[in-house]
Amino acid sequence: GAVVSQHPSWVICKSGTSVKIECRSLDFQATTMFWYRQFPKQSLMLMATSNEGSKATYEQGVEKDKFLINHASLTLSTLTVTSAHPEDSSFYICSARPLAGRSSFYNEQFFGPGTRLTVL
Amino acid sequence: QKEVEQDPGPLSVPEGAIVSLNCTYSNSAFQYFMWYRQYSRKGPELLMYTYSSGNKEDGRFTAQVDKSSKYISLFIRDSQPSDSATYLCALSWGKLQFGAGTQVVVTP
Repeated sequence: GAVVSQHPSWVICKSGTSVKIECRSLDFQATTMFWYRQFPKQSLMLMATSNEGSKATYEQGVEKDKFLINHASLTLSTLTVTSAHPEDSSFYICSARPLAGRSSFYNEQFFGPGTRLTVL
Repeated sequence: QKEVEQDPGPLSVPEGAIVSLNCTYSNSAFQYFMWYRQYSRKGPELLMYTYSSGNKEDGRFTAQVDKSSKYISLFIRDSQPSDSATYLCALSWGKLQFGAGTQVVVTP
């Protein structure tokens, strides 16, 4: 199957610092990557959609200056949480939508294992 | 009102029992209906998907969609302790809209 990796799997940082999370599609090229946030015992909430080579589209209520997304290649997207605060502590999950030919259905997304961010 | 409603559980069943999960939705524009399984501190993995009303079976799993009632279900037969996880329904008409997830515990 299609594999998506995330790095790091967990990170602890001090309040006010920035943290970068990488999302890679290992065996396929992804036209679109998505970033989700999941609080404990809650569902996945879409934060933003990124297409390779263009600016990310952010969901309502998500601060684009705080959550910087870069999608520099068809296999890599990064999410940078700038000036992190304790309320940013969460589980961040990325997903990738393959180029045509790898999906069983339209908008099939393959999810990464997630990154747990704890801001002290 | 949320677009997708799902009871968060937890749902506890004995090993071998049938697990019954469901979601309701309000937007008739949804075209694809999916079930994901998520183990603790892991990303979701796709179990099943369908795009039409009716039943779809895959091994011990059966997905059911009733578009007229805006109701989807997932049944797990002969449940095993390894089925203990959170099950999320997800609906799509462009973006994926997830339910809250139901935590399932299968006890030996």
